[in-house]
Amino acid sequence: AQSVTQLGSHVSVSEGALVLLRCNYSSSVPPYLFWYVQYPNQGLQLLLKYTSAATLVKGINGFEAEFKKSETSFHLTKPSAHMSDAAEYFCAVSDRGYSTLTFGKGTMLLVSP
Amino acid sequence: DAGVTQSPTHLIKTRGQQVTLRCSPKSGHDTVSWYQQALGQGPQFIFQYYEEEERQRGNFPDRFSGHQFPNYSSELNVNALLLGDSALYLCASSLAQGAVGELFFGEGSRLTVL
Repeated sequence: AQSVTQLGSHVSVSEGALVLLRCNYSSSVPPYLFWYVQYPNQGLQLLLKYTSAATLVKGINGFEAEFKKSETSFHLTKPSAHMSDAAEYFCAVSDRGYSTLTFGKGTMLLVSP
Repeated sequence: DAGVTQSPTHLIKTRGQQVTLRCSPKSGHDTVSWYQQALGQGPQFIFQYYEEEERQRGNFPDRFSGHQFPNYSSELNVNALLLGDSALYLCASSLAQGAVGELFFGEGSRLTVL
């Protein structure tokens, strides 16, 4: 069975600071990995995905993530946080089957001025 | 181009009642998945419909059932509601032949069971 673990239910940063949201996965086969973002009262939106091509993946809104097989990690980063980045972020893994995703519990990103 | 639309946005039911939630997928999409998101948790996969058939199912009891119509829209039905069924129910659409994991989500239907 596949799973993802997100370390830290809440992460607080100042505007302009580095954003680092952590995700570790468990999978018996090479995984597809995703980051989704959920703004208040909205559905989830795909930020970026890893599908076994380049290990450094760039997404929307300046976010990127690096797949590290040796560490079973897929951490999400952004060099400089904006107030508009405040949202909940979910890491997810797919079994490469029918686009069914297993999500982590989410990390709420708080950005202060 | 309309995205994924869900109705109703909010509803309140009492234990033992039944509920039906509706979803219209993004234009051109043929696959609909349903997820349950309890408070403070990530979404959990309920089931997926393609070509009007349930193609995959998560670890949910038979009280949860669904349907997909010829126009690709879908319904989620929950019978004999329990307090623990209170959650945000998310519909996600995708293309069966599209990129794996690229789901488009609606804003959800928030169900409260009293």
